[in-house]
Amino acid sequence: AQTVTQSQPEMSVQEAETVTLSCTYDTSESNYYLFWYKQPPSRQMILVIRQEAYKQQNATENRFSVNFQKAAKSFSLKISDSQLGDTAMYFCASNAGGTSYGKLTFGQGTILTVHP
Amino acid sequence: EPEVTQTPSHQVTQMGQEVILRCVPISNHLYFYWYRQILGQKVEFLVSFYNNEISEKSEIFDDQFSVERPDGSNFTLKIRSTKLEDSAMYFCAGKGGPDTEAFFGQGTRLTVV
Repeated sequence: AQTVTQSQPEMSVQEAETVTLSCTYDTSESNYYLFWYKQPPSRQMILVIRQEAYKQQNATENRFSVNFQKAAKSFSLKISDSQLGDTAMYFCASNAGGTSYGKLTFGQGTILTVHP
Repeated sequence: EPEVTQTPSHQVTQMGQEVILRCVPISNHLYFYWYRQILGQKVEFLVSFYNNEISEKSEIFDDQFSVERPDGSNFTLKIRSTKLEDSAMYFCAGKGGPDTEAFFGQGTRLTVV
């Protein structure tokens, strides 16, 4: 079984600044994948970034990057140059590889507010 | 860009009534899922569907729930006798492979009164 924990219910940041959202996970799988999803007020779930656990290099997507610490089972999301449109709920999620059929296990979410 | 479409966007139903939530996944996807999100809470896995059968289900997915993909296109979630606690946002998702990105629909907000 997999568990995902986000310990920050809410975060806020000024526009153009950098913010880091925390996530820890637990899994017995050797092959797994980690994701950050964004859920704006429209409630649509949008993939922000994806990390394969077997890759040591941290994933980056434009202003979004992760700090993946496999031994510590930590997977934080850094948002640089924050924009008002980044205001949303952010979910960390994992899925086990192999025969899990790809189901996602989500954390509790972090509400991020970007202030002008 | 292909997208996952869910209908209706909002459904209000009386307790004890049956509801069917509909999803049209992306055409080349093979793995399908239903998740639910009670207001203010995290997203919870309900069921996964692959090769025309349920591959995994959570303890939430009891006998009141069923899924099917009758025509190879629509993917439906049926709740036979709704309860107040079934009120939630229901998300359909699909994947091309088990470890690829999940594409989510925009959700159906179910309100049981």
